[in-house]
Amino acid sequence: QVQLQQWGAGLLKPSETLSLTCVVYGGSLSGHYWTWFRQPPGKGLEWIGEINHSGVANYNPSLKSRVSISVDTSNNQFSLKMNSVTAADTAVYYCARGGDWYDFWGEGTLVTVSS
Amino acid sequence: DIVMTQSPDSLAVSLGERATINCKSSQSVLYRSDNKNYLAWYQQKPGQPPKMLIYWASTRESGVPDRFSGSGSGTDFTLTISGLQAEDVAVYYCQQYYTTLVTFGGGTKVEI
Repeated sequence: QVQLQQWGAGLLKPSETLSLTCVVYGGSLSGHYWTWFRQPPGKGLEWIGEINHSGVANYNPSLKSRVSISVDTSNNQFSLKMNSVTAADTAVYYCARGGDWYDFWGEGTLVTVSS
Repeated sequence: DIVMTQSPDSLAVSLGERATINCKSSQSVLYRSDNKNYLAWYQQKPGQPPKMLIYWASTRESGVPDRFSGSGSGTDFTLTISGLQAEDVAVYYCQQYYTTLVTFGGGTKVEI
């Protein structure tokens, strides 16, 4: 059974860089896209971007200038970096498997941006 | 971007009764070359990540009870829960994957 475990800093100040990592257990990175989403408190889901095991990445145009997704195949994990965060970036961030539908998800990390 | 619009925002259903959730896309998500609708449905309970229920608009994910069914084509889709159980209280989302930039509906909250 595939499991995704994610971690990263949960409290940031405005202008800092958000950094999250998601490690995949019970499966290989190969053959799938690996994706980051976010969900502001009480709101819906937003696709941030995706990456495959070869490092081919796609980003949401609305976030592309601030976001970078990378993959580390040796440790079976992938990561998200988002720079220059503001209060509008406060959300639960999820990692997930898939490039079409998403069948396995991490438990989510609440990232709060506050001065 | 393809805009996904769900209705209603919330609904209350008695145990054992049917819940019907609608989802409309701003453009067709039916891919002509394979005649498939690029649409999925998810269930999300408080404090949990979304759980995939249905893909290709009507194919149930393994392990999902058969009281959950999806239908529709093109721009109009429906998720039906036949015989609502207490554990079905959740928010339900539709999602299109016709474009690389996948988008979700705003969610429908189902209560008893």
